[in-house]
Amino acid sequence: GAGVSQSPRYKVAKRGQDVALRCDPISGHVSLFWYQQALGQGPEFLTYFQNEAQLDKSGLPSDRFFAERPEGSVSTLKIQRTQQEDSAVYLCASSSRVRPQHFGDGTRLSIL
Amino acid sequence: GDSVTQMEGPVTLSEEAFLTINCTYTATGYPSLFWYVQYPGEGLQLLLKATKADDKGSNKGFEATYRKETTSFHLEKGSVQVSDSAVYFCALEQYQGGSEKLVFGKGTKLTVNP
Repeated sequence: GAGVSQSPRYKVAKRGQDVALRCDPISGHVSLFWYQQALGQGPEFLTYFQNEAQLDKSGLPSDRFFAERPEGSVSTLKIQRTQQEDSAVYLCASSSRVRPQHFGDGTRLSIL
Repeated sequence: GDSVTQMEGPVTLSEEAFLTINCTYTATGYPSLFWYVQYPGEGLQLLLKATKADDKGSNKGFEATYRKETTSFHLEKGSVQVSDSAVYFCALEQYQGGSEKLVFGKGTKLTVNP
C-alpha cells in the first residue's frame, strides 16, 4: 500500500484481557519498528525487525509484550494480561535502506 | 545513552509570527537528526532531516541546521500559519549493536491563532 496501515485504530479492553495490534508496512520495506506513545509524551522504542528477524526487543516493557513478523511483512504486537499502564498509542513504522521511517496513524489502546 | 531535549511547550503564536523550537541532543558519534510533526489523531509525519554536520533540512517553509559544535537542531519558520498547529518532535537515529531506532524528545505543542 501507499502508507503504513495499522488496525484497529482504537481498542478498548478490560484489565487482564489479551490484545493484538496489527501493522501492515509499506511494501518492500525491510525494517519495521514498534513504538509506544504515552499521553503527552514522545514515542518510545519497543522493538525492531529486519525482515522476519527480531533484532532488538530491548524496549519491550515486560514479558507480557510480544511481537512477531513471521513472513517479513505484516507484524503483530501482542499484549497479554493487559494492565492500565499499557494504555497508550502504539505506533508502527517501516523503512528501507534509503528512506527514513514512515509511521502509521497508530492504535489507541485503552485499558479499563 | 542517547537523548533529545526539546523546549517545553505549549507555544502559542499569532499567524505570520516567527517560530523557533529549540532542540539539543546527546549522542555518541554523529547521528542523523529529524523533525517529525503530529497532527491531532494522526501518526508522525517526517518534516525534515539532516544527516551530517552543517546540513540544513528544509520543507514547507520550515528549516533546521545540524550544529555539531552546539549539538543542536533548532526548528525555525519565518511565518507560521494556522495549519501549522500540531505537535513537533525532534529525534535522532541511533545505531547500536545491529539495531537501529529513533530516540525522540517529548514534543512541543504549537498553536497558531488567526
